[in-house]
Amino acid sequence: AQSVTQPDIHITVSEGASLELRCNYSYGATPYLFWYVQSPGQGLQLLLKYFSGDTLVQGIKGFEAEFKRSQSSFNLRKPSVHWSDAAEYFCAVSGTYKYIFGTGTRLKVLA
Amino acid sequence: DVKVTQSSRYLVKRTGEKVFLECVQDMDHENMFWYRQDPGLGLRLIYFSYDVKMKEKGDIPEGYSVSREKKERFSLILESASTNQTSMYLCASSGTANYGYTFGSGTRLTVV
Repeated sequence: AQSVTQPDIHITVSEGASLELRCNYSYGATPYLFWYVQSPGQGLQLLLKYFSGDTLVQGIKGFEAEFKRSQSSFNLRKPSVHWSDAAEYFCAVSGTYKYIFGTGTRLKVLA
Repeated sequence: DVKVTQSSRYLVKRTGEKVFLECVQDMDHENMFWYRQDPGLGLRLIYFSYDVKMKEKGDIPEGYSVSREKKERFSLILESASTNQTSMYLCASSGTANYGYTFGSGTRLTVV
């Protein structure tokens, strides 16, 4: 069965520190993978996506993610976190029409 | 930029009322989706539509119906609202699944 797991419900980092959010997926074929961010009270915004090719994908707001087929992972990273990055982050894998979303990781940034 | 507009940011309705949530997109996307979002449960798909007048059940369709009479508009209908339908409702559209969804800002519905 297709699934997406985000093992960390909450993560707290200090401003300026590096960040890694974990995402593991289960999917029969080559997956199309996405990361979305949701600020409080808002809809979801696409951060980056992986379809094929280079396994390191660059996105908006200084985020990147690395696709590792052997580990079934698509972890999101940022070298230096800003206070404005505090939000909830969702990983998703694409099916034929619809996505399967993880349950999200809420990021708190300490000043 | 693609815009997905949800008609209301906040709604308060009474138990038993019929509730309409409207969603409009302006990029001629074929696919439209309705999700509900609850703490700890993430996003759960209610219904989706891949063409005008076409609809498919998602993972939690009970208590909901949808209408897509025009390509740009996808409506979610709560036939008889109940308190367990209090939630954040998110509409999304996409040209193809591979290019990512564009989400609306959400409607926070409270049923009292």
